[in-house]
Amino acid sequence: DTGVSQNPRHKITKRGQNVTFRCDPISEHNRLYWYRQTLGQGPEFLTYFQNEAQLEKSRLLSDRFSAERPKGSFSTLEIQRTEQGDSAMYLCASSPPPAGQGNYNEQFFGPGTRLTVL
Amino acid sequence: AQSVTQLDSQVPVFEEAPVELRCNYSSSVSVYLFWYVQYPNQGLQLLLKYLSGSTLVESINGFEAEFNKSQTSFHLRKPSVHISDTAEYFCAVSGYTDKLIFGTGTRLQVFP
Repeated sequence: DTGVSQNPRHKITKRGQNVTFRCDPISEHNRLYWYRQTLGQGPEFLTYFQNEAQLEKSRLLSDRFSAERPKGSFSTLEIQRTEQGDSAMYLCASSPPPAGQGNYNEQFFGPGTRLTVL
Repeated sequence: AQSVTQLDSQVPVFEEAPVELRCNYSSSVSVYLFWYVQYPNQGLQLLLKYLSGSTLVESINGFEAEFNKSQTSFHLRKPSVHISDTAEYFCAVSGYTDKLIFGTGTRLQVFP
């Protein structure tokens, strides 16, 4: 178990370009979450998947953002036509299936991808 | 809707002194409560959690937090801090869905 991994760790891009980030969850974790953290703020929820199904999307996720988890394993987050306001740390987390109804399972976070839009 | 308020953005303290990081939450449903820690250049790590049962929860490195439903608080305490405790601490809440709602964080700076 190597933990949640994210690539790249850093990305610098020019405004208007598209970027894609990848998240590899802990194996056998069926839930995967994306969060965004801007300077001086706590992480904000963007979206989450259970297996390959995207179950919830935040209003923060504008139509320029798209997330996929095609085979229920790794996930990608794409931002089209990046804006300077997109500069942030993008965090991925995964959790195992709950042991029973109403049970909670810890989310394990990756190191994040820091995006800088110039 | 759920929200979390961390009243202190920065808490400076000398080594071996006690510390309290404050967290208040708002929710119309039953919640789970968490404290996460983020060391410099590292990812978020779960420090401790309240799911149910005893309102006092402890971590392996000496931190504790008490769930107070009447005051809607989940303050984090440590009786004696170390230099290595210097980090950003985030309080978070989760309800019926698993998504975490975080506070804005408290920067704990421990001085020798």
